Amino acid sequence: EPEVTQTPSHQVTQMGQEVILRCVPISNHLYFYWYRQILGQKVEFLVSFYNNEISEKSEIFDDQFSVERPDGSNFTLKIRSTKLEDSAMYFCASSDLRRGRASETQYFGPGTRLLVL
Amino acid sequence: GDSVTQMEGPVTLSEEACLTINCTYTATGYPSLFWYVQYPGEGLQLLLKATKADDKGSNKGFEATYRKETTSFHLEKGSVQVSDSAVYFCALSQGGSEKLVFGKGTKLTVNP
Repeated sequence: EPEVTQTPSHQVTQMGQEVILRCVPISNHLYFYWYRQILGQKVEFLVSFYNNEISEKSEIFDDQFSVERPDGSNFTLKIRSTKLEDSAMYFCASSDLRRGRASETQYFGPGTRLLVL
Repeated sequence: GDSVTQMEGPVTLSEEACLTINCTYTATGYPSLFWYVQYPGEGLQLLLKATKADDKGSNKGFEATYRKETTSFHLEKGSVQVSDSAVYFCALSQGGSEKLVFGKGTKLTVNP
């Protein structure tokens, strides 16, 4: 069964450093998402991406964050200058197109645990 | 804004016990409701969903009914197994938005 994959599974970085989290969505999906979960808190939506542009983003997704689909398979989340509060589990998800819009069913990867020191 | 509140965990049960994990929501309009499950080391997987009032979603022996009058979508299973040990997330989505709004998750441990 096709699945969403994410790399790395864990990343430790120093405050102020840039990190890039990578995701390979399911191959025929057209919508891509990033969510995060700070320890002990809710899973929070960050951004959705369709047709090579951001289609929706949350207040969390400020200028420090960016997303990119650099080729036909990868979808990345970049944090330019990490802060301590960026420590979280980051989930990538993808969904296909259903009747001209994103399907309600999103398929999630296993997550990348980011620790900022 | 829209929000989901689910029962705090962790929940520990013996095999074959009954399970209920409560979930209530606050939303404008008529959201779609979901339960996702995360097994250790894996991503969130859709367990079941319901898209309108009184719909019942079911999968793998789990059920949840969309109750508009109580704004609830409680997850139930009559007889849990050790393999059901996981974290369960209640979520909603609104028409016109692509995002899922999640609850905090409830960790279930089933002992043999």
